[in-house]
Formats: sequence, C-alpha cells, structure tokens
Amino acid sequence: DQQVKQNSPSLSVQEGRISILNCDYTNSMFDYFLWYKKYPAEGPTFLISISSIKDKNEDGRFTVFLNKSAKHLSLHIVPSQPGDSAVYFCAASGWNTDKLIFGTGTRLQVFP
Amino acid sequence: EAGVTQFPSHSVIEKGQTVTLRCDPISGHDNLYWYRRVMGKEIKFLLHFVKESKQDESGMPNNRFLAERTGGTYSTLKVQPAELEDSGVYFCASSQDRDRRHEQYFGPGTRLTVT
Repeated sequence: DQQVKQNSPSLSVQEGRISILNCDYTNSMFDYFLWYKKYPAEGPTFLISISSIKDKNEDGRFTVFLNKSAKHLSLHIVPSQPGDSAVYFCAASGWNTDKLIFGTGTRLQVFP
Repeated sequence: EAGVTQFPSHSVIEKGQTVTLRCDPISGHDNLYWYRRVMGKEIKFLLHFVKESKQDESGMPNNRFLAERTGGTYSTLKVQPAELEDSGVYFCASSQDRDRRHEQYFGPGTRLTVT
C-alpha cells in the first residue's frame, strides 16, 4: 500500500525549459511535503518543502505546488540545467511524526 | 561542518552472517533516523532516535534488526542473521530543530549485499 506515488519513472527535458515532476498521495493526514534530490552514490539532499496550509512555495528556480483536494503536488524547475539531472523523490509526513514516507522517485535528465 | 557519515560504504556478506552498520550524524543533531531502499524501490523509514532514546521504531522489519545509539551520538544498526531480502542501501539521516525536523540530512548510505 503505497501512500506516496510518483507515476513517472523518468523525464527528459531540454536545457532552459521547464521540468515538472509530479507526485500523488493517498493519506489526507499528511501535513508536510518535501522534495529531495539524489545523485548516484550519494544520499538524498533536501530541496524544498511545503506545509499543508500553503499551496505554493518558491525557492529560486524551484517551486512546489500543492493541491490538497486532488492530493497532488508538483515540483517545477525553471529554467532546467544539466546539473539538475538526478533522481527526485517526493516525501510526505504527518504533524505528529518525523517519519518521511517517500515515493519511488523520478529520474530527470536535462540535455543540452 | 561535516555531514552525516556512514561506514562501511559497501558490505557483502553471506546469508546467516552478521553485519553492523555505523552512522555518525551531524554534530549537535539530536534526531537520528535510519531508512533503507530495497531494489530501487521507495526509501522506507526504519526508526527514529531522539538522543539515545528510540522515538519510533515502527519501520523495523523484524527482530533480526537491532539499532542502538549509546550516548546519543553515533548509531549502529546490526542485522543478525542476515537474509537475502535484507540487501539494499541503508541510509542514515539527522535533523536538529524540532520545527524543521522534516528537513533531514542524509548520509551517502551503506550498500548491503547478502549472498
């Protein structure tokens, strides 16, 4: 029973364009959502987060959107750069726990 | 500031043997977490320490896994006896502030292969 789903295992985007990574969740009790980026042979690195009381959070080239009614969040990267090529994990957590529940990841490739 | 470190980076053992993984969190971080990723699937939570106390061990798969954090500094995760399905990458993470506890800093992981 996977509570956080990333249905696209991979995404390929041209440099300079927008990358949109999607994530769906099933548990309405989640109140905090995060995106992590992972390079090969490294651990996940925190990228950006959003609380359930917000619908958008922006940090430089990265913006996360949350649609609670649809139980959906997305990560927008604009403009995409070759260094953004990595696996992106969506994660969620509840208010009373530190436990992060991860999706299976989406591999983003940004080509010149 | 040094990040989260894990040792060893790789371990290959035979079924039935024992393996101990070590994690050194970022200095001053009271919260320490263990996660694992099996066969390229999602990263799954194992347990959470606050200092030396186990706060949440709901993700520990069975009693073959034993985690300790004596003195509230580094942590060890022992698998005894190891089974084939224990193969995967074991990540350790730490966080400091209660308010930002979800922003966890991960180590590079230990790749465990059980043959």
